[in-house]
Amino acid sequence: DAGITQSPRYKITETGRQVTLMCHQTWSHSYMFWYRQDLGHGLRLIYYSAAADITDKGEVPDGYVVSRSKTENFPLTLESATRSQTSVYFCASSELRGGITEAFFGQGTRLTVV
Amino acid sequence: AQTVTQSQPEMSVQEAETVTLSCTYDTSESDYYLFWYKQPPSRQMILVIRQEAYKQQNATENRFSVNFQKAAKSFSLKISDSQLGDAAMYFCAYRSPYGGATNKLIFGTGTLLAVQP
Repeated sequence: DAGITQSPRYKITETGRQVTLMCHQTWSHSYMFWYRQDLGHGLRLIYYSAAADITDKGEVPDGYVVSRSKTENFPLTLESATRSQTSVYFCASSELRGGITEAFFGQGTRLTVV
Repeated sequence: AQTVTQSQPEMSVQEAETVTLSCTYDTSESDYYLFWYKQPPSRQMILVIRQEAYKQQNATENRFSVNFQKAAKSFSLKISDSQLGDAAMYFCAYRSPYGGATNKLIFGTGTLLAVQP
């Protein structure tokens, strides 16, 4: 199916463990983003990517790692999970050509760190 | 750096009535895009409406319309004939039209809209 999908939808992990959230898009959009959503903060940008092998930090990158070896995939890894990383994580993709200006979002991953 | 402010954490409206959600932003750019996204309890982020800054005409999508005041840096969302399905968190967002590091959505903190039957 065309679109952007995240996996898993829900994840519970323990403090100190490494966890990877997956994101896959089928539109071949150049740009991909990871946001975290917390009450009172809205959505804050963690990392973004302008193309394969090009990534850069957003507003809150500490404790996270990303990679983008293929255009369609943009995984987010928490190297050593902390309770402050309990949040809802959204992946998004977008393009700037062809009249497309908005970002398209995945369904979100609710991550709980215990 | 650009910022987006939504000063109303919660709003309530009666079914069939009209409600306006406020959004202000700060930028030094002359061209940009503005968006309203809706997030129902399902968590899915749904684009409601978008506005290009170079267009003076306010965008409209069915019952949803915006009041875009560029000089005041204001971008409010009006929902007419409110329906129960409009109950959701609404986010205002800003985006530069350029590529590279500026091509990211900047969000406000959201307004939670309740619709009373």
